[in-house]
Amino acid sequence: KAGVTQTPRYLIKTRGQQVTLSCSPISGHRSVSWYQQTPGQGLQFLFEYFSETQRNKGNFPGRFSGRQFSNSRSEMNVSTLELGDSALYLCASSWVGGGEKLFFGSGTQLSVL
Amino acid sequence: AQSVTQPDIHITVSEGASLELRCNYSYGATPYLFWYVQSPGQGLQLLLKYFSGDTLVQGIKGFEAEFKRSQSSFNLRKPSVHWSDAAEYFCAVGAEGYQKVTFGTGTKLQVIP
Repeated sequence: KAGVTQTPRYLIKTRGQQVTLSCSPISGHRSVSWYQQTPGQGLQFLFEYFSETQRNKGNFPGRFSGRQFSNSRSEMNVSTLELGDSALYLCASSWVGGGEKLFFGSGTQLSVL
Repeated sequence: AQSVTQPDIHITVSEGASLELRCNYSYGATPYLFWYVQSPGQGLQLLLKYFSGDTLVQGIKGFEAEFKRSQSSFNLRKPSVHWSDAAEYFCAVGAEGYQKVTFGTGTKLQVIP
């Protein structure tokens, strides 16, 4: 059974650009969550999607957005990139979310220059 | 709001020695509690989870954790550490029906020969 797949693995952008990250959950999982991981702030919750609906959102500016498709694949988008957006972005999937075990992808390492 | 505190940023232990990583949580109701481990450049892997029942939980790789409601703690233990246990460990709290899982800031474990 394939795990959670995140693409691309590495990404380099410049300030002001936008970026789209992709996450394919484990087959059958309907919940996809996104986290930002930085050395200073640790793991911070971005948002969670279930059946194409955003159910919960963290404390990030509107430049961070996401969506989920009917096949449960998810994308997150960051517009007008800032240097502080450099981070490892992790996607996690589960059957229904919340108290369940999360299965994490290896992440996308975003560097903003 | 739920929160998790891991007071130790970095811990060094000798191979073969015992290990205890501390975790304190804040949540109004009975929480789901998790310990995840992250190897460099990788996503997170679940070690163990607690929701109800026996307060001593057994996990993978020989780890265990004890839930103490009176102390709002969920400390992770291992009787004998192996060099391959060197990684970063995250405590997390979630709740049934509530999709956001909150992570602590992590404890980096170094294992010396």
